[in-house]
Amino acid sequence: NAGVTQTPKFQVLKTGQSMTLQCAQDMNHNSMYWYRQDPGMGLRLIYYSASEGTTDKGEVPNGYNVSRLNKREFSLRLESAAPSQTSVYFCASSATPSWARATEAFFGQGTRLTVV
Amino acid sequence: TQLLEQSPQFLSIQEGENLTVYCNSSSVFSSLQWYRQEPGEGPVLLVTVVTGGEVKKLKRLTFQFGDARKDSSLHITAAQPGDTGLYLCAGLIPDSNYQLIWGAGTKLIIKP
Repeated sequence: NAGVTQTPKFQVLKTGQSMTLQCAQDMNHNSMYWYRQDPGMGLRLIYYSASEGTTDKGEVPNGYNVSRLNKREFSLRLESAAPSQTSVYFCASSATPSWARATEAFFGQGTRLTVV
Repeated sequence: TQLLEQSPQFLSIQEGENLTVYCNSSSVFSSLQWYRQEPGEGPVLLVTVVTGGEVKKLKRLTFQFGDARKDSSLHITAAQPGDTGLYLCAGLIPDSNYQLIWGAGTKLIIKP
């Protein structure tokens, strides 16, 4: 029962480096999300994809880009990493967009990213 | 900025005690969810409440949605070490494109 799989689990980057966080779900969900979690701030939405072929900005999109590669996969790219992007990143998926109705979001295990 | 405030931020109690954590906002929510997150893992949904005044029970956990749908509480009876974790509430703002608004969480430690 894989659910939502994120890679890598840990990453250390130098300021200015780029990287892509990978996410895949095997639940045939339409909607996928990228969040960051920082101490004392809760989860903040970076980007989401309501359905295959669409992506939209969330609360904190600056410095990030996303690609919904197909229904299963949704990647997050940091083009030029900054120390302010040090965080734990979570990918999530849900059957339907959560603004349409109360729906359960399934989360991956997270990627702990440190930018030095 | 829509805020969802959780209290307390941290709670450490002995096994067998009861506790209540709160989730409050000035905004009205279409629904509110409670998640539990364990170290190194992503949040896992515990319950969704939709109707003002709604009460849901999950074994020793009782969830209540405020009558005005602006707040919620989670009450745990006879807490056990397995209840240890970070409890997060998330509210769905009507007509919002930002999906869920998340609280910062209550870190709960139950000591044997």
